[in-house]
Amino acid sequence: GNSVTQMEGPVTLSEEAFLTINCTYTATGYPSLFWYVQYPGEGLQLLLKATKADDKGSNKGFEATYRKETTSFHLEKGSVQVSDSAVYFCALSEDGTASKLTFGTGTRLQVTL
Amino acid sequence: KAGVTQTPRYLIKTRGQQVTLSCSPISGHRSVSWYQQTPGQGLQFLFEYFSETQRNKGNFPGRFSGRQFSNSRSEMNVSTLELGDSALYLCASSLVSTPYEQYFGPGTRLTVT
Repeated sequence: GNSVTQMEGPVTLSEEAFLTINCTYTATGYPSLFWYVQYPGEGLQLLLKATKADDKGSNKGFEATYRKETTSFHLEKGSVQVSDSAVYFCALSEDGTASKLTFGTGTRLQVTL
Repeated sequence: KAGVTQTPRYLIKTRGQQVTLSCSPISGHRSVSWYQQTPGQGLQFLFEYFSETQRNKGNFPGRFSGRQFSNSRSEMNVSTLELGDSALYLCASSLVSTPYEQYFGPGTRLTVT
């Protein structure tokens, strides 16, 4: 079956530091890949997506590239802010059943001044 | 445009009881999916409804059921509650044209005692 593996958290960074959150996946077929973010007390928000190999998703300074050869979709940001503190979830959807998402366990990011 | 709304936001029930949770999708969104979020299992897909029909189902027992109305609003029901059903239940809606872009509500926090 499909699965998503994320790096364990929490990740603690100083403001303006570089962020990488690793994500690898196992899937049959050609999944679409996503990063969702959950701020305290809120539901999940779609951060970025990539629907085919070598696509780069980007939003709000965050980027992730769909790497089929390494089955990875690592999240990066060049300079984090305190407001980026949240839990980040990597997810995939199977080809043809795109509404059913398989999530990773989430990585908590804490950014300090 | 209003986001996904879920009611109630918090609920406390006793083991053996049943519960009904409600979700109103974003206007124009016809697909509604439900997820269970727990610290131990993370985010798990329950089911998806589209045009009043269940289109996808996750690996949950038959005690978990749902339905969708003609206005796309959805309800999920859990019968014979168990302590392990305590979780945050998230609803997500999406457009037909972009089914992988899920918009999540804030969730209903269910506590079973």
